[in-house]
This record gives sequence, structure tokens and C-alpha cells, in this order.
Amino acid sequence: DVKVTQSSRYLVKRTGEKVFLECVQDMDHENMFWYRQDPGLGLRLIYFSYDVKMKEKGDIPEGYSVSREKKERFSLILESASTNQTSMYLCASSLWMSYTEAFFGQGTRLTVV
Amino acid sequence: KNEVEQSPQNLTAQEGEFITINCSYSVGISALHWLQQHPGGGIVSLFMLSSGKKKHGRLIATINIQEKHSSLHITASHPRDSAVYICAAPGSGAGSYQLTFGKGTKLSVIP
Repeated sequence: DVKVTQSSRYLVKRTGEKVFLECVQDMDHENMFWYRQDPGLGLRLIYFSYDVKMKEKGDIPEGYSVSREKKERFSLILESASTNQTSMYLCASSLWMSYTEAFFGQGTRLTVV
Repeated sequence: KNEVEQSPQNLTAQEGEFITINCSYSVGISALHWLQQHPGGGIVSLFMLSSGKKKHGRLIATINIQEKHSSLHITASHPRDSAVYICAAPGSGAGSYQLTFGKGTKLSVIP
């Protein structure tokens, strides 16, 4: 069974803090993705990575950065958290682009106060 | 970029009813995803299909590539089917890595 694990289910951070969200997958997938999900807006892609050390911006990369130093781990970084980054964050992985099944983590609900 | 539209946004059904959720997309694709999200957040992949029909238990997904339309059916619905159902379509070319998601259909099945 493919497993995608996010480091936290719930996080509360203060405005201006640097925030790290971690995601680990155990199936040797090439592609990993970070999304945020907001009511009425659905899932939106922040960044994705198709290989170690490779990254591409998604639709809403502003205020975020990512790191993929190892194949199994993909980190999302909020450089200076702001209240408009309060959201549900979901990590996903897939074997090959968007044409193979996507596996999602359980989500991290981040609140920035 | 693919535009993905789902309908209805909200659906309330009595236990046992047959349910249909629709999904339309704007750019031709070779595969479409149906996902399920229960309260609490985790998303599970239900189907990925490129033609015809797939069935898993009481869930059936169909796709018409020419019409750029897919449907998810639930037979004999049950309260445990209550969830948000999301369809997603890949982009093309440089956007192939990306899935574009519909806004989801929130299903509530009442006993």
C-alpha cells in the first residue's frame, strides 16, 4: 500500500514565522506535489517536483518555496507566514506525471494567527 | 490549462438512492481521475479512467472522451458514502504534470 505521510495534522503558527511542512512517500514515486485547499476554490497547485532537486512552480507559488533533497521527501516552506496562508495543505505523489494514480497525504490544517 | 466543471455542488440523498455526479473538462485528455475526500481531509483515489466504464463495488465511473464528460454513479447509497467527490483532469504539453481539479461535489446521504 502506497503511503504518503504528512508530518502534522494541525499546526498553529504566528504571523512572520518560517513554517516547514514535510511530506514523505514510500513508493519510490518520481513526482510529488503540494496543494492548498480552500472553501469554494478547490485544490490549487503550489509547487511540484518531478525528480530530486527539481521543482516547478504551480498556479500559486508566491510566498512558498520547496525542497526535495531526497526522492521520498518533499518539503513546503512558508518563508514568512501570513494570515492568508491559513489553509488545508495536501501533499501527493504519483509514479508518472498526472497519468498515473495520485496518492494523497492526510492533509495539514495550518492556522496562521 | 484544462477547465474542469462539476455538478451539482451539493447533493443530499436518502439512503438507497442512485446518485450521479457529473464532470466536464475543456481540453482533450487521455485519463480522468475521481477522488473522494472524507471530513478530516484525507483524499483517496477512486478511479482513473481513460475510456468506457470502471466499477468498484457500488461505485461506477464512466467517461466519454469525445464529449469531454465523465460521470460518477453510486448505487444503493449509504450514509458512509457521505463525502466530497472531486474529479481532476491532466493538462497537456508542459502542463501534463498538473491536474486541474473540479471544485467538488459534497454528498450527504441521510439514513
